[in-house]
Amino acid sequence: KAGVTQTPRYLIKTRGQQVTLSCSPISGHRSVSWYQQTPGQGLQFLFEYFSETQRNKGNFPGRFSGRQFSNSRSEMNVSTLELGDSALYLCASSPGAGVRELFFGEGSRLTVL
Amino acid sequence: AQTVTQSQPEMSVQEAETVTLSCTYDTSESDYYLFWYKQPPSRQMILVIRQEAYKQQNATENRFSVNFQKAAKSFSLKISDSQLGDAAMYFCALIQGAQKLVFGQGTRLTINP
Repeated sequence: KAGVTQTPRYLIKTRGQQVTLSCSPISGHRSVSWYQQTPGQGLQFLFEYFSETQRNKGNFPGRFSGRQFSNSRSEMNVSTLELGDSALYLCASSPGAGVRELFFGEGSRLTVL
Repeated sequence: AQTVTQSQPEMSVQEAETVTLSCTYDTSESDYYLFWYKQPPSRQMILVIRQEAYKQQNATENRFSVNFQKAAKSFSLKISDSQLGDAAMYFCALIQGAQKLVFGQGTRLTINP
């Protein structure tokens, strides 16, 4: 069974640009959540989607958004990039529906110059 | 609010010896799960072990075991017969309700040959 797949693995953007990251969950998993990892703030929850609906959202500005498609694949978008958005963005999938075990992808490393 | 605290930023152990990583947490709920995740330099977050709060028996997975003290809100990880491949960042995490993990700041474990 394939694991959680995140693309791209690495990307470099400049301030003011926008970026879209993609996550394909494990087959059959309906919940996808996103986390931001930085040396200073550690791992912070961004949002979680289940069956195309956002169920939970972390404390991030509106520049951070996401969506989930009918096949459970998810994208997150960051607009008007700032230097502080440089981070490792991790996606995790779960069967959902009360199953509390998350499986993570390898992450997308975003560098903002 | 839920919090997870790992008071040991770094730990080191000799190969084949035993090491214990500490974690304390705070939550007002009675139904929650606790996890230890391992993040090697490859970046992928790998689930090491999980503990359901309602279970009194401590979880074990081969060389990994936990000491779950619910009243003290303590959840330590013991690694027996440490191997070079155990070197990584270890994160303690808590989940309750929706699929939102709250992570500690991590402990970097070094294995000395």
